[in-house]
Amino acid sequence: EAGVAQSPRYKIIEKRQSVAFWCNPISGHATLYWYQQILGQGPKLLIQFQNNGVVDDSQLPKDRFSAERLKGVDSTLKIQPAKLEDSAVYLCASSLVTGTRSSYNSPLHFGNGTRLTVT
Amino acid sequence: RKEVEQDPGPFNVPEGATVAFNCTYSNSASQSFFWYRQDCRKEPKLLMSVYSSGNEDGRFTAQLNRASQYISLLIRDSKLSDSATYLCVVTGSQGNLIFGKGTKLSVKP
Repeated sequence: EAGVAQSPRYKIIEKRQSVAFWCNPISGHATLYWYQQILGQGPKLLIQFQNNGVVDDSQLPKDRFSAERLKGVDSTLKIQPAKLEDSAVYLCASSLVTGTRSSYNSPLHFGNGTRLTVT
Repeated sequence: RKEVEQDPGPFNVPEGATVAFNCTYSNSASQSFFWYRQDCRKEPKLLMSVYSSGNEDGRFTAQLNRASQYISLLIRDSKLSDSATYLCVVTGSQGNLIFGKGTKLSVKP
């Protein structure tokens, strides 16, 4: 089974520039997540898709971050304009089942991540 | 109270030791619990799910205490290759999966 694919692996940009990341989830996984992981911290959820609909984007800084999953498969995450504090690893994950507020969630499968450095 | 809390460590233990980590969570309605392992500069990988009755996978044992709202991970006979950060994952109040900040384990020869 092919895993979650992400690109690019690394990206270095200057502040105020734009950047985009791409993710292809595991085939058949309806749920796709973007996480931001700053060095020394656990992954923080930015946005969660169920097929092509947004389930949760409450922690996405919408003034500069956007994400889409138009056909319910691949997804892109964009930052425009980037700030120094956006330097982090951006992890894409997918899963089979997403529960409601209290019901069962299946495990997440992560891609290798994109390491972003903003200078 | 944070949704998921873990002791960041580091836990420095000798090979062969037994080590245990705890993780507390705030959402009493949580139904999904996992332990992930993350190696330096790598993505998190599922170590094991945590079931209500507790479960074991080789040297690893996971337990859930709903009354006190914590989960635990016990590693027996530690190996050098167990050195990593262990992330606790719990269903949050919005139904999504919330990660703790992780507990760093270093197993020494």
